[in-house]
Amino acid sequence: GEDVEQSLFLSVREGDSSVINCTYTDSSSTYLYWYKQEPGAGLQLLTYIFSNMDMKQDQRLTVLLNKKDKHLSLRIADTQTGDSAIYFCAERNQAGTALIFGKGTTLSVSS
Amino acid sequence: SQTIHQWPATLVQPVGSPLSLECTVEGTSNPNLYWYRQAAGRGLQLLFYSVGIGQISSEVPQNLSASRPQDRQFILSSKKLLLSDSGFYLCAWSVQLGQETQYFGPGTRLLVL
Repeated sequence: GEDVEQSLFLSVREGDSSVINCTYTDSSSTYLYWYKQEPGAGLQLLTYIFSNMDMKQDQRLTVLLNKKDKHLSLRIADTQTGDSAIYFCAERNQAGTALIFGKGTTLSVSS
Repeated sequence: SQTIHQWPATLVQPVGSPLSLECTVEGTSNPNLYWYRQAAGRGLQLLFYSVGIGQISSEVPQNLSASRPQDRQFILSSKKLLLSDSGFYLCAWSVQLGQETQYFGPGTRLLVL
């Protein structure tokens, strides 16, 4: 079945780069997404990448996609305390009806 | 611009009591609507989605039901809550079914005691 896996925790120092990793199972996924959830809030779309792309950069965010290994990563450059949140990786389900989310990676940024 | 609202923000209910959570979307017509649940320490689980008024698809069997009485209103209900219904409930909308961008509401935190 469809599944998305992420590491649960990541701790970095302010100013360092953060890399959050994700693996997915559905090789037919056309879109892969990164969402951010701040404490007590809903999910905010950060970025998404088409499956025919290897990399997408958006300001401090860089998404890398390795289709062969079904591996997606999100790199946050110059991580700030305001980046502390839970980051979810997601892929579209096979039926195309909704998104399959990972359990989320909690990013903790210390000053 | 489009906005999505959920209420209440927080709810504490006893086991066996009924539930009604509401989600409304503004600034768009005929959105696709979704209900997700986020249980503690777990990812998001899709509960229901709707492509139009009165059209509800259920992704997992459960104690909950959904209804869409109006184009931009999506309601999550239960006749009798279970302890396992506790969680963070998120409503989302998208322009097309499964389209790459889903916009989420602020969520409702439900605690069943």
